[in-house]
Amino acid sequence: GQNIDQPTEMTATEGAIVQINCTYQTSGFNGLFWYQQHAGEAPTFLSYNVLDGLEEKGRFSSFLSRSKGYSYLLLKELQMKDSASYLCAVTDSNYQLIWGAGTKLIIKP
Amino acid sequence: GAVVSQHPSWVICKSGTSVKIECRSLDFQATTMFWYRQFPKQSLMLMATSNEGSKATYEQGVEKDKFLINHASLTLSTLTVTSAHPEDSSFYICSARGATGFHEQYFGPGTRLTVT
Repeated sequence: GQNIDQPTEMTATEGAIVQINCTYQTSGFNGLFWYQQHAGEAPTFLSYNVLDGLEEKGRFSSFLSRSKGYSYLLLKELQMKDSASYLCAVTDSNYQLIWGAGTKLIIKP
Repeated sequence: GAVVSQHPSWVICKSGTSVKIECRSLDFQATTMFWYRQFPKQSLMLMATSNEGSKATYEQGVEKDKFLINHASLTLSTLTVTSAHPEDSSFYICSARGATGFHEQYFGPGTRLTVT
């Protein structure tokens, strides 16, 4: 079966750095997405990785290792507004998007 | 960036009635649209995938006669919840994907349905 694993919940301090990991087992791979979802709102796109390596975009970076079936989202200089759920999703060989359950990130002052 | 709208943003209806939710891609042609449902504190659950001009493909466990999906044009898809019951109360989110570019799905803002 297809499976995406990410931690259920993480806590971090304002101004710090946090890394949210995601491991996946899918039938084929055509890219990995990270989305941010605030409570009561729809997900918003953060990043897309299809090749191995690190993609940096401001305070957020996303890393991919296809051989390990592994990705992480790195958030720097955390702000209170970063409190949200972070969803990892993988596009399989049929270009279907397989979703992880999401990681709830709690930022403390 | 690509924009997807949903209407209404929230709706309250009585048990037994039907509710229609619209999803529009405002500045691109959406060859594929997706409908998701999300219960509180749970992840997104894909309900169905629809391609313009063809019948929707429903996920296992989703009743196609209860959740009617129409993708009549490249910019509009509708989800009709028929004979709604309180257990259908949820957050319904659509997303759209264009024919070109990478395979990002652009999400609408969601519709919160409450069935009383």
